[in-house]
Amino acid sequence: GENVEQHPSTLSVQEGDSAVIKCTYSDSASNYFPWYKQELGKRPQLIIDIRSNVGEKKDQRIAVTLNKTAKHFSLHITETQPEDSAVYFCAASRGNAGKSTFGDGTTLTVKP
Amino acid sequence: EAGVVQSPRYKIIEKKQPVAFWCNPISGHNTLYWYRQNLGQGPELLIRYENEEAVDDSQLPKDRFSAERLKGVDSTLKIQPAELGDSAVYLCASSLDGTGGETQYFGPGTRLLVL
Repeated sequence: GENVEQHPSTLSVQEGDSAVIKCTYSDSASNYFPWYKQELGKRPQLIIDIRSNVGEKKDQRIAVTLNKTAKHFSLHITETQPEDSAVYFCAASRGNAGKSTFGDGTTLTVKP
Repeated sequence: EAGVVQSPRYKIIEKKQPVAFWCNPISGHNTLYWYRQNLGQGPELLIRYENEEAVDDSQLPKDRFSAERLKGVDSTLKIQPAELGDSAVYLCASSLDGTGGETQYFGPGTRLLVL
């Protein structure tokens, strides 16, 4: 089955700096890669996703890049703010299977 | 539009007791997922339903866990008997369909503590 590894497990940045979280996946048939943000005690919420037919997607301060050859994808947050502090999860899923395999999460702390 | 609803939000039971969790997905969503999230880890799929049919239950510990989705809407996940290692957050999610690439919307979860 699919295996998703996420790094780093914790990340601390100063407000205004950029943050990068990386994930690798094992199943070359995976074609959908969402990123979720989970604040303490709350539900995971989708913040951005990318499909295998594109290499990059951007939404304001958040961007995701995908390298299908290397089987890795990354989340980039620019101009970080304290409210960006949360646990971020990447996931990989394969078309018709509809099943998402999640990474173990990255705890991002943005210091004011 | 209401999101995914789960109840109860918290549950404390003693080991060997039964427990049940309920989920009401977003209206019109055919696919329903049950995940278990252990502390410090990502959600792990237990079972996925397409309407009433369980299409992926390979990760469900069938000796003690059971699930149902009667009428293809609400779903119930049951553990009997519960073990200490079952303490976790149980998340329900739904999506329009399960063809892949569909956004999953999560409920608030049920935090289970087994003593």
